[in-house]
Amino acid sequence: QQQVKQSPQSLIVQKGGISIINCAYENTAFDYFPWYQQFPGKGPALLIAIRPDVSEKKEGRFTISFNKSAKQFSLHIMDSQPGDSATYFCAGYKRDDKIIFGKGTRLHILP
Amino acid sequence: GAGVSQSPSNKVTEKGKDVELRCDPISGHTALYWYRQRLGQGLEFLIYFQGNSAPDKSGLPSDRFSAERTGESVSTLTIQRTQQEDSAVYLCASSLVGLAGWADTQYFGPGTRLTVL
Repeated sequence: QQQVKQSPQSLIVQKGGISIINCAYENTAFDYFPWYQQFPGKGPALLIAIRPDVSEKKEGRFTISFNKSAKQFSLHIMDSQPGDSATYFCAGYKRDDKIIFGKGTRLHILP
Repeated sequence: GAGVSQSPSNKVTEKGKDVELRCDPISGHTALYWYRQRLGQGLEFLIYFQGNSAPDKSGLPSDRFSAERTGESVSTLTIQRTQQEDSAVYLCASSLVGLAGWADTQYFGPGTRLTVL
C-alpha cells in the first residue's frame, strides 16, 4: 500500500496556540517527506521537509517530528498566526517511483 | 523569476464539449505533473512527464483524459466529452529533476478552475 493518511481534516486554533497535523504512511520505502502549504486560490508550495534518518526538523515556527518505527510524522506550528490559515498537505516521496499526497488539513487560526 | 503558469485561469464549458488546459513550466525543469483538486479535497495525481515522455499515466481517470508535452516545455491536458464530475481545479507542477532526484521540490502553478455545466 502507498497511502498517506492525514488527520485531522480540519483544525481551528487560537492565535498564539500550537497547531498539530498528523500523517501516517504504510510504504516503508518512502525516502522523503515534504509538507506543502496552499492558500486559497493558489497552488501548493513547499513548506518544510524531512528525511527518515532524522527525527526532527525545525524551520522557524514550523517543526516536523518523525517517528520511523511508528511510520508517523507530524507538523507543528508554534505561535500560530492568522496568516498561517491555509490547507496543509503531507506527502511521501519515493525516488524513481512516485509522490503520494495526503488528503489535506484545512487550518484556521482565530484572530 | 517566472513561476509555473497555467491558462486559462477559469474555464466554463458545457457537458460534452472538449477542453484543453495549458501549463508552462519553469524553464529548465525536466519534470512536469498534473493533478486534479476537487472542491475542498486533496491532490489527485493524474500524470507525470519526464521530458516529453510520460512514465506514469496511472492517474488518468478515463480515456477521455490525455496529456502531451513538447520537449521539456509546455504541456496540454485535454479532456474530451466533458462531464459534470470533471469540474475541479487542475493543477500543474514542475520540478528540476523529477522523481529521479532524492528530494525533488515541485513548484505548482495557480491552477485552472474548470466548471462543466
